[in-house]
Amino acid sequence: GQNIDQPTEMTATEGAIVQINCTYQTSGFNGLFWYQQHAGEAPTFLSYNVLDGLEEKGRFSSFLSRSKGYSYLLLKELQMKDSASYLCAASLSGGSYIPTFGRGTSLIVHP
Amino acid sequence: NAGVTQTPKFRILKIGQSMTLQCTQDMNHNYMYWYRQDPGMGLKLIYYSVGAGITDKGEVPNGYNVSRSTTEDFPLRLELAAPSQTSVYFCASTTFQGLAGNTIYFGEGSWLTVV
Repeated sequence: GQNIDQPTEMTATEGAIVQINCTYQTSGFNGLFWYQQHAGEAPTFLSYNVLDGLEEKGRFSSFLSRSKGYSYLLLKELQMKDSASYLCAASLSGGSYIPTFGRGTSLIVHP
Repeated sequence: NAGVTQTPKFRILKIGQSMTLQCTQDMNHNYMYWYRQDPGMGLKLIYYSVGAGITDKGEVPNGYNVSRSTTEDFPLRLELAAPSQTSVYFCASTTFQGLAGNTIYFGEGSWLTVV
């Protein structure tokens, strides 16, 4: 299976920029998801990267380097509501499409 | 559009009891999954299905069973509930689109406590 590594917790100030890193095993890799999960709620989709490079969606951007087994989620103009857990998940190629999730990074945004 | 619907939302079980978590999706997705999430942890895969009639074990299948008789439904059964099965359970579904991009849709979660 995949080993997904991401920091356990990060803190940042409202209005700032924060980067959440994720590393994964490259063997059989197909694509990488980022999900946001507020406490007591289901994960919600943020992005899915298959190709190298940066994809921007409003305040959130996601970067992927397939050769390095590395991704990051960039959050700009942080708002208090961005306080949540951010889950990185890698999917493998092949007949069975099974995303493997990391433990998640708990982001705390303070005033 | 209902998406992924799972029931019940909350349940308290006594040790040794059995129950079924229901999951249904109305998006005609072929892939369906059951994950559990313990406090401070990520999602761990219990079972998955790539289509009707096909199921397979994930990372933590012990103590659970599933079936996939239709494309829409993927129930998770707990036999002889144990305190270690106290967790939040998420059902999810997707249809693999390769490079075109993918979104995994999650149900709202089922909070299960075994006492």
